[in-house]
Amino acid sequence: AQTVTQSQPEMSVQEAETVTLSCTYDTSESDYYLFWYKQPPSRQMILVIRQEAYKQQNATENRFSVNFQKAAKSFSLKISDSQLGDAAMYFCAYRSRTSGTYKYIFGTGTRLKVLA
Amino acid sequence: DGGITQSPKYLFRKEGQNVTLSCEQNLNHDAMYWYRQDPGQGLRLIYYSQIVNDFQKGDIAEGYSVSREKKESFPLTVTSAQKNPTAFYLCASRNQGHNEQFFGPGTRLTVL
Repeated sequence: AQTVTQSQPEMSVQEAETVTLSCTYDTSESDYYLFWYKQPPSRQMILVIRQEAYKQQNATENRFSVNFQKAAKSFSLKISDSQLGDAAMYFCAYRSRTSGTYKYIFGTGTRLKVLA
Repeated sequence: DGGITQSPKYLFRKEGQNVTLSCEQNLNHDAMYWYRQDPGQGLRLIYYSQIVNDFQKGDIAEGYSVSREKKESFPLTVTSAQKNPTAFYLCASRNQGHNEQFFGPGTRLTVL
């Protein structure tokens, strides 16, 4: 069975600085999707970024980028120029591309605090 | 506006009572999901449905039931058999052929 691990329960970053959130996963599959979701205090889950495992290029979305290391099964999220609005819980998630597989597996989350 | 609605935002029930959480989407998505979120445990899958009149158990289905009579609706019933029902419940949907899920605002259930 696949697992997703976020080993940092809490992180802090100074406003305008850069922070990296870690995520590792375990799978025997070669084709899958990886996601980072943000959950602000409102508790509304918002997709931040996604990565297809078959793509070697790391995904980027404005100030958010990932470092996808397939062999190491690592999928970290880098937030540049951190803003107060980035303060939230961040969840890493995995989904298989195997036909008929529709389940998403989430990590336990990292709480990011942004210091003014 | 297209989206997913969950109602109510907060729900209180007495122990031993069944309670139904609503989830409606107007995104025309085929798949719908129910998750439970507890502190320090991330999101855990309760049930999911790929098409109308079909659904599958997730990892923690015991004590819960669902129905999918309409494409836009996927209600979750928390039964008295659920040992620890107090939690935050999230509903999500996904369009077939697409990868990401879209989430509703959630319902906080407190059983007294």
